[in-house]
Amino acid sequence: QKEVEQNSGPLSVPEGAIASLNCTYSDRGSQSFFWYRQYSGKSPELIMFIYSNGDKEDGRFTAQLNKASQYVSLLIRDSQPSDSATYLCAVQGGKLIFGQGTELSVKP
Amino acid sequence: DTAVSQTPKYLVTQMGNDKSIKCEQNLGHDTMYWYKQDSKKFLKIMFSYNNKELIINETVPNRFSPKSPDKAHLNLHINSLELGDSAVYFCASSQVQGDEKLFFGSGTQLSVL
Repeated sequence: QKEVEQNSGPLSVPEGAIASLNCTYSDRGSQSFFWYRQYSGKSPELIMFIYSNGDKEDGRFTAQLNKASQYVSLLIRDSQPSDSATYLCAVQGGKLIFGQGTELSVKP
Repeated sequence: DTAVSQTPKYLVTQMGNDKSIKCEQNLGHDTMYWYKQDSKKFLKIMFSYNNKELIINETVPNRFSPKSPDKAHLNLHINSLELGDSAVYFCASSQVQGDEKLFFGSGTQLSVL
C-alpha cells in the first residue's frame, strides 16, 4: 500500500515565525510532489510543486525534496494568520496520493 | 468565470436514494477527476477521465458511476446511497494526463440520513 504520511497537527506558530510542514512517502518511484492548501470549508488549492531534489522557492514558500530519505517539506516564512489552513502533501507515482494533511494555525 | 464548477454545493438525502453531481471545467483541460474527502480530510481519488475516456477507476462500489459526455464535463451518479457515502466530493481537472497540478471545484457536501 503506497502511503503518504503527515503529522495531522495542529501545528501552532506565532505570526512572523517559520512554519515547517513535513511529509514522508513510501513509493521510491514517485516522481512529482505537490503541496495543496485547503482553507476550512473550501477546496484544495495548489501552492507548490517540486520534481527534483533540493529546494524550490516561491515568495514566502519553500518546498524541499529529499528522494533518498523519501521526504518532502514545506517551509512558510514570515507566517501570517491568513496562512492558517490545512496543508495537504500529495505524491505522484502512477497516480496522485494525498496525505491526511497538517492543520496549521498562525497566532497573531 | 469559475474554472471548475460543480453542482449542487450541498446534497442532503435519505438512504437508498439515487443522486447525481455535475461538474464542468472551462479551462480547456484534457483530464478530469472525482475525489472523495472524508471527515478526517483524507482526500482519495475515485475516478479519472482523459478526453472522455476512463483512465483510473479506484476500488469504488459500482453504485458510483461516472459519465463524461465531453472533455469539459464529468458527472457522478450514485445509486442506493448509504450512510458511509456521506463526505465531500470534489471534481478536479488538470491540463493533461499525468500532470497532477489539479484545479478543484468547490465541492459537494453529501449527507446521507
